[in-house]
Amino acid sequence: QVQLVESGGGVVQPGGSLTLSCAASGFAFSDYGVHWVRQAPGKGLEWEAYIRSDGSKKVYADSAKGRFTISRDNSKNTLYLEMNSLRVEDTAVYHCVKGASGSNLLFDHWGQGALVIVSS
Amino acid sequence: ETVMTQSPATLSVSPGERVTLSCRASQSVSTDLAWYQQKPGQTPRLLIYGASTRASGIPARFSGSGSGTEFTLTISSLQSEDFAVYYCQQYNNWPHFGGGTKVEIK
Repeated sequence: QVQLVESGGGVVQPGGSLTLSCAASGFAFSDYGVHWVRQAPGKGLEWEAYIRSDGSKKVYADSAKGRFTISRDNSKNTLYLEMNSLRVEDTAVYHCVKGASGSNLLFDHWGQGALVIVSS
Repeated sequence: ETVMTQSPATLSVSPGERVTLSCRASQSVSTDLAWYQQKPGQTPRLLIYGASTRASGIPARFSGSGSGTEFTLTISSLQSEDFAVYYCQQYNNWPHFGGGTKVEIK
C-alpha cells in the first residue's frame, strides 16, 4: 500500500534552516506530483509546495516563496523540503502528500508528518 | 488566489441527526472541490472529490453537492465515528483549504 514517511523535523531557532525528507513506497513515485502541506498546532491545513512528477515544475504558496525549496530524487523515491529563514509562525507538522491520479492537485494519500518547531 | 470559507466553525450534533456543512469559494472553482475528514491524531482522509463523487470506501451517508462558489457536504445520519473536523479544498487552481468545520457531540 502507499506509504509516505517524513523525517528531519526538530527544533530550530528563528532564522535557521532545516531539511525535511519523505520516503515514498507502494506506488510509482516517479509518475506522480507530490506536495508539502502543513498544519500548525490546533490549526487548519495549509498547502505549501508542489513538484511535478519529473521535477520540471515547482510551485510555492506565498508563505514559502523565497524561503522554501521543494525537490525530489526519483531514483531514491524521496521528496525533500529545504526550509531557510525559518520563522516562529512556520511551526507546524509538515505532511508529504501524494497527488491523485485524476488531478495532481487533489490529495489522496498523506504521510503522518514531521514536526517542526521554530523557537528561541 | 481563491479563498475558501467554511461555515459554521463548529457544529454540535446528536448521533443520528442529518448534518449539512457549507463551503464557499471567493471565485468560481467549477466542480474542482474536495472534502476531507480529519480525526484527532490522524491525517486527513479524502471523502469527496469533483464536488459530489465519493472517494473509494467512503460510506453512502456522505454526499456532496454544489458548483461554482457554493458547496455542501451532507452526512445523512451522523455516526459516532463521524465526529471530526471537515475541510473543503479547491483544486481548480493552486490548492487552498477552508478553515474547517468541527462536528462535535451535542
